[in-house]
Amino acid sequence: DTAVSQTPKYLVTQMGNDKSIKCEQNLGHDTMYWYKQDSKKFLKIMFSYNNKELIINETVPNRFSPKSPDKAHLNLHINSLELGDSAVYFCASSQELFTYEQYFGPGTRLTVT
Amino acid sequence: AQSVTQLDSQVPVFEEAPVELRCNYSSSVSVYLFWYVQYPNQGLQLLLKYLSGSTLVKGINGFEAEFNKSQTSFHLRKPSVHISDTAEYFCAVSNDYKLSFGAGTTVTVRA
Repeated sequence: DTAVSQTPKYLVTQMGNDKSIKCEQNLGHDTMYWYKQDSKKFLKIMFSYNNKELIINETVPNRFSPKSPDKAHLNLHINSLELGDSAVYFCASSQELFTYEQYFGPGTRLTVT
Repeated sequence: AQSVTQLDSQVPVFEEAPVELRCNYSSSVSVYLFWYVQYPNQGLQLLLKYLSGSTLVKGINGFEAEFNKSQTSFHLRKPSVHISDTAEYFCAVSNDYKLSFGAGTTVTVRA
């Protein structure tokens, strides 16, 4: 009965590779988000989708491309991975765009070597 | 623009002692305020939120926070902590559909 799930939990890859992280929510929410947490635990929003429509893109490099095939899924694809992309990536969801309680997934720890 | 400052990066505390985590925010408009907790190797979980109404907000696990508009603060308190409260705590502010987080406060509870 997991509310927000992410796969994989851990991802180790080399510079230059392309990788994807998947996120699914079974809460029936309309809005989904991607956050990046750096090594100092600072959290910053990357993207927000509402009903499959991109709402927020926080000046993230275009190597990062979110894709929302339906309301319950928001995947993150990263091209040409760089060392600085190493971080924990969190997916989250909220009931509507203007509701403020967000539910977070367990995170995906990405390590680029 | 809005921002959040968590005044303590690390707070060590003994079991059953009280704890207060300080959070100040800046915003040009009305805000909504949140505290989230992140247990080791887990995602974030909402502890409590202030949207409107009473300035004293009660959350889960015995936590409470007080919204002080004049001091632009939203400090989190718990009268008696447990070992299981060891975690990272994040204050967040929103006046739109976006949350801005503080840098986090690491709480370590010792026996």
